[in-house]
Amino acid sequence: EPEVTQTPSHQVTQMGQEVILRCVPISNHLYFYWYRQILGQKVEFLVSFYNNEISEKSEIFDDQFSVERPDGSNFTLKIRSTKLEDSAMYFCASSLLAGVVEQYFGPGTRLTVT
Amino acid sequence: AQSVSQHNHHVILSEAASLELGCNYSYGGTVNLFWYVQYPGQHLQLLLKYFSGDPLVKGIKGFEAEFIKSKFSFNLRKPSVQWSDTAEYFCALKISSGSARQLTFGSGTQLTVLP
Repeated sequence: EPEVTQTPSHQVTQMGQEVILRCVPISNHLYFYWYRQILGQKVEFLVSFYNNEISEKSEIFDDQFSVERPDGSNFTLKIRSTKLEDSAMYFCASSLLAGVVEQYFGPGTRLTVT
Repeated sequence: AQSVSQHNHHVILSEAASLELGCNYSYGGTVNLFWYVQYPGQHLQLLLKYFSGDPLVKGIKGFEAEFIKSKFSFNLRKPSVQWSDTAEYFCALKISSGSARQLTFGSGTQLTVLP
């Protein structure tokens, strides 16, 4: 069964550094998402992406964040200058369509900012 | 803004016991509702979903959920749990609108099933 994959599984970085989290969505999916879960808190939506554009974003997704689909398979989340409060599990998801369909989640990348 | 509440943070049951996990949401319009499960060390997987029609929906592994619009609830049930059901369960909502994409999650319920 096709799966969403994410790399790395764990990333440790120093405050102020840039990080790029990578995701490979399911190959025929058209919509891509990033969510995050700070330890002990809810899974929160960050951004959705379709046709090489951001289609929806939350207030968490400020100028420090960006997303890109650099080639036909990868979908990346970049944090330009990490803060301690960016420490969280970041989940990538993809779906075939935008409407009443399932979003398939990856295993997550645990980001630790020191 | 919409929100999802799961009041049970940790539920502990013995095998063969019946399960009901609560999920309530806050939103005035039409919603789509989901239950996701995360087994230890694995990614979020969809258990079941409600979009329209029959408010009683059946999912994988013997789970079902009932959408009660008047109560803004979408509780998850299973008549007889197994040790392998030990996992974290998340209720989620999506606004039923053409432009809406995001899922709004509850805080999750950790289910521990004792053998």
